Amino acid sequence: NAGVTQTPKFRVLKTGQSMTLLCAQDMNHEYMYWYRQDPGMGLRLIHYSVGEGTTAKGEVPDGYNVSRLKKQNFLLGLESAAPSQTSVYFCASSYPTEEAFFGQGTRLTVV
Amino acid sequence: GENVEQHPSTLSVQEGDSAVIKCTYSDSASNYFPWYKQELGKRPQLIIDIRSNVGEKKDQRIAVTLNKTAKHFSLHITETQPEDSAVYFCAAPPNQAGTALIFGKGTTLSVSS
Repeated sequence: NAGVTQTPKFRVLKTGQSMTLLCAQDMNHEYMYWYRQDPGMGLRLIHYSVGEGTTAKGEVPDGYNVSRLKKQNFLLGLESAAPSQTSVYFCASSYPTEEAFFGQGTRLTVV
Repeated sequence: GENVEQHPSTLSVQEGDSAVIKCTYSDSASNYFPWYKQELGKRPQLIIDIRSNVGEKKDQRIAVTLNKTAKHFSLHITETQPEDSAVYFCAAPPNQAGTALIFGKGTTLSVSS
């Protein structure tokens, strides 16, 4: 049972490049989330989804897009990467009012 | 939407002391209150949670208390050990209307031996 899997684990981008982070869960969770974690800033919500085909903005959505075409996958896209998007990104999934399970994180550096 | 305030942001204790971290929330309809622990370089993981029909829950050296009237819940760690050093997050979970899982800013706990 894999739980929540994020790919890639590490990535270095040049300013202006694009990339997609993939989150996959095998627990049949309805809710999926993308967070970014910066020193001293906690876990800030970027976008989330409450079911297949749905997405919603979180606290810091600018510069990111998401899609949830299949229940088990939640994709996070950066269309034109900026140095301010250098961060550690975590995906998570859960049932409402139940434990959330996190992926192992993606360390992204934009130069 | 839900707002979660967590205090303190940093906490330093001596091994064997107790540590208390407090969170306040804004949505009176919230009924599930989790705490997560994140060790350096790792992913956050649930350590304890409580539902609104109980006031306290214990699991060995950790406990969570809930005061629904005041809208706050607290994490208590007794007999702290160096391996308790980590960042701790409280969270306000989604409600049935489809809100998101929102975390407090985190508390960095340092336990010195």
